[in-house]
Amino acid sequence: DAKTTQPPSMDCAEGRAANLPCNHSTISGNEYVYWYRQIHSQGPQYIIHGLKNNETNEMASLIITEDRKSSTLILPHATLRDTAVYYCIVRVGYDYKLSFGAGTTVTVRA
Amino acid sequence: EAQVTQNPRYLITVTGKKLTVTCSQNMNHEYMSWYRQDPGLGLRQIYYSMNVEVTDKGDVPEGYKVSRKEKRNFPLILESPSPNQTSLYFCASSSGVMNTEAFFGQGTRLTVV
Repeated sequence: DAKTTQPPSMDCAEGRAANLPCNHSTISGNEYVYWYRQIHSQGPQYIIHGLKNNETNEMASLIITEDRKSSTLILPHATLRDTAVYYCIVRVGYDYKLSFGAGTTVTVRA
Repeated sequence: EAQVTQNPRYLITVTGKKLTVTCSQNMNHEYMSWYRQDPGLGLRQIYYSMNVEVTDKGDVPEGYKVSRKEKRNFPLILESPSPNQTSLYFCASSSGVMNTEAFFGQGTRLTVV
């Protein structure tokens, strides 16, 4: 799987959009970008995934650059409950294993 | 409600005393796996199962056993626990279809003294 690079931490004001970057410069054509988050030692929670098109669901939006070497997860209106570690994972579609890196610790402040 | 259930949530045990952590999912998923999470090392896969009676080693299988006799259950067995197996354990499941999300249990915090 391609390696990902995320900032170790970031702060966000409650009610504002949180933009979480992820670099995956060695991504190959059949690898998808997945985002999960983990709230305070609970089980990781799936957020969103995509291949090359931008994706949106009820939780977040995923913006993938045209060259696919980086992506941004957008939480449109961060709340205190969004405080968590966010993981960007790149993997091929047929591989069910998830390789978690260190992630980004996001702290939403009131 | 779709969920993955692990038991127990917390366990303190002594070195060498066999223990089993249970995992059950109600989504009819084919794929199940176990991870352990340690500070500074992230989540690492222990074992996984592609379907009933099909299991394989992940990245850190030493000291663990698993079985998959029914689709819904995937217990993790520590035959002779040691202190270095003190960790936070997660069970996960996903359907057999590509590009699907994984569902995780709430975790089991194990301490071996």
